[in-house]
Amino acid sequence: GENVEQHPSTLSVQEGDSAVIKCTYSDSASNYFPWYKQELGKGPQLIIDIRSNVGEKKDQRIAVTLNKTAKHFSLHITETQPEDSAVYFCAATTNFGNEKLTFGTGTRLTIIP
Amino acid sequence: GAVVSQHPSRVICKSGTSVKIECRSLDFQATTMFWYRQFPKQSLMLMATSNEGSKATYEQGVEKDKFLINHASLTLSTLTVTSAHPEDSSFYICSARPGTSGTDTQYFGPGTRLTVL
Repeated sequence: GENVEQHPSTLSVQEGDSAVIKCTYSDSASNYFPWYKQELGKGPQLIIDIRSNVGEKKDQRIAVTLNKTAKHFSLHITETQPEDSAVYFCAATTNFGNEKLTFGTGTRLTIIP
Repeated sequence: GAVVSQHPSRVICKSGTSVKIECRSLDFQATTMFWYRQFPKQSLMLMATSNEGSKATYEQGVEKDKFLINHASLTLSTLTVTSAHPEDSSFYICSARPGTSGTDTQYFGPGTRLTVL
């Protein structure tokens, strides 16, 4: 089955600087890679996702890059703000009907004012 | 759009009682719903996958007789924790997926904090 590794587990960044979180996956059939943000005591919220037919996707201060050959994908947050502090999870799955998301172990991002 | 609700948000119960958690997709029909469990500072652990009108598929190690899942309609799934014990205390989160493909987006509910005394 799929295995997703995520690094780093914790990340502290000065406000205004950029943050990068990296994930690797094992199943070459995986072709959908969402990123979720989870604030304390809440459910995960989808912040951006990418499918394997593109290498990069951007939404304002958030971007995701995908390297299918190397089987890794990354989340980039620019101009970080205090409200970006949260736990971020990457995930991977295939397009088979009941295929489940395989999650990374999470990254606790702290933005230092 | 794509809002998933859960009820209750918090529940405290005595050991041995049963607790039902509801998961609703408010503005879309969810062909598939998922139930997760999350311990503090850990990732999400999938418990089961349910499709409307059929029996849930449980992950290995999850007791189907203890965690009863019903997906009676395209907008509602319920998780019942039967004969709850303190070790069942956890954060339970559901998600819903509008389509039938694994690459369709999953939207998560806000979670339910279960405390068993």
